[in-house]
Amino acid sequence: DTEVTQTPKHLVMGMTNKKSLKCEQHMGHRAMYWYKQKAKKPPELMFVYSYEKLSINESVPSRFSPECPNSSLLNLHLHALQPEDSALYLCASSPDRAGYTFGSGTRLTVV
Amino acid sequence: EDKVVQSPLSLVVHEGDTVTLNCSYEVTNFRSLLWYKQEKKAPTFLFMLTSSGIEKKSGRLSSILDKKELFSILNITATQTGDSAVYLCAVLLGGGGSNYKLTFGKGTLLTVNP
Repeated sequence: DTEVTQTPKHLVMGMTNKKSLKCEQHMGHRAMYWYKQKAKKPPELMFVYSYEKLSINESVPSRFSPECPNSSLLNLHLHALQPEDSALYLCASSPDRAGYTFGSGTRLTVV
Repeated sequence: EDKVVQSPLSLVVHEGDTVTLNCSYEVTNFRSLLWYKQEKKAPTFLFMLTSSGIEKKSGRLSSILDKKELFSILNITATQTGDSAVYLCAVLLGGGGSNYKLTFGKGTLLTVNP
C-alpha cells in the first residue's frame, strides 16, 4: 500500500458545525502533515506530526484541531469555521530523508 | 526566511514545443527538491532531487539540480495538451527527527494548445 487516503473527498459545512477530516497511511511513515491550499495558491503547511506527537503548528487558528490517534491515522477536527477557510486540505506523509506522499485531498466549503 | 521562486509564473506553448521551467531557492537546512504536477486535485509527484548534476528522467520529463547555484530546472519535451497543469517546485527542509517541512514556490501554470 503506497497511498495516503483522505476522507471525505468533499465536505460542505455550516459555520456552526463540527466536522472531522481523516487521513490514513500504511507505509510506516512516521511523519504526517496537514496542508491547506487555497485556489491558485501553493499548499501551505498547517501541522506536522512526528512519531505521533505534534512537532510543528504554523500558527493555525484554534478552530482547527489536529489529532494523531496512532502512527497510521491523522485527523483534523473543524469547529466554527469561517467561509474563508474554504480550501483544499491535503494530508501527506513521509519517511526519513525521502519525499512526501500526498493524499488526494478534501475539498472543504464553509457556508 | 526560506524562499522558493519559480519562473515563469505562466507559459503558453503549442503541442510539440519543448519547455523549461525554473526553480531557485534560498533556504536553511536543505534536504532535497521536489517537483509536482497539479491539475484539479492534489499534487502528483514527479521527481525528487538530492544530489547536484544528476539528471532524473521520466518519459518526456527530466529534471536536474544545481546545489551550488541553488536552482533546478524541469524540462518537458514534445509537449502534449495533457501536460497542461500547474507545476510546483518544493524544497524539503530538514527539521530533525523525521519531520520534514515542504516549502513551495508559487507554481508555473503551463498551458499547451493543440
